[in-house]
Amino acid sequence: AQKITQTQPGMFVQEKEAVTLDCTYDTSDQSYGLFWYKQPSSGEMIFLIYQGSYDEQNATEGRYSLNFQKARKSANLVISASQLGDSAMYFCAMREGETSYDKVIFGPGTSLSVIP
Amino acid sequence: GAVVSQHPSWVICKSGTSVKIECRSLDFQATTMFWYRQFPKQSLMLMATSNEGSKATYEQGVEKDKFLINHASLTLSTLTVTSAHPEDSSFYICSAPDSWTDTQYFGPGTRLTVL
Repeated sequence: AQKITQTQPGMFVQEKEAVTLDCTYDTSDQSYGLFWYKQPSSGEMIFLIYQGSYDEQNATEGRYSLNFQKARKSANLVISASQLGDSAMYFCAMREGETSYDKVIFGPGTSLSVIP
Repeated sequence: GAVVSQHPSWVICKSGTSVKIECRSLDFQATTMFWYRQFPKQSLMLMATSNEGSKATYEQGVEKDKFLINHASLTLSTLTVTSAHPEDSSFYICSAPDSWTDTQYFGPGTRLTVL
């Protein structure tokens, strides 16, 4: 069963606009972590933001914020003021467990294109 | 910050040969490392968990005899693709957790092409 769902295979956004990338997840664990990674064409995985299941406030990192709705099991990524360099694949990921030694599984990804 | 390296960054080999990919944690010790495979335009799929001093744990559907993993030291894990075939061509990425920062760091990946 797929544990991470990203329903948007591709998204377009105008430069300087905000964009929301959707992510829903499925787990029976009480303790888990949610991540967003960016993968440009070079292939490197760039960590963007992390939300722990017990964190009550939504995580923010610069232009990135994570809209965490625990009851709905969703963890959408919001990118504000999009830049051309934001064009890349974006992966939502989940870690079932409390430590970095627990496995991380990835969603199918969303390809974001920023239009000048 | 913590860095994870992979070697080689790309490799081309003939069908039937074996290829070894190294994953190193450069400034921290990693008793556990993870190996992922990513086919073009697809997501990262976890292949196995590499454990220093013990056998690797493979995900369902991954052939352990084909993808040999050796975690030789606290900073090095190797993935050997044995008797490689064109369908093994993929992007292989490792990651290593740093217990000090409780963060998992990814290597830059190795692109394998089997002719």
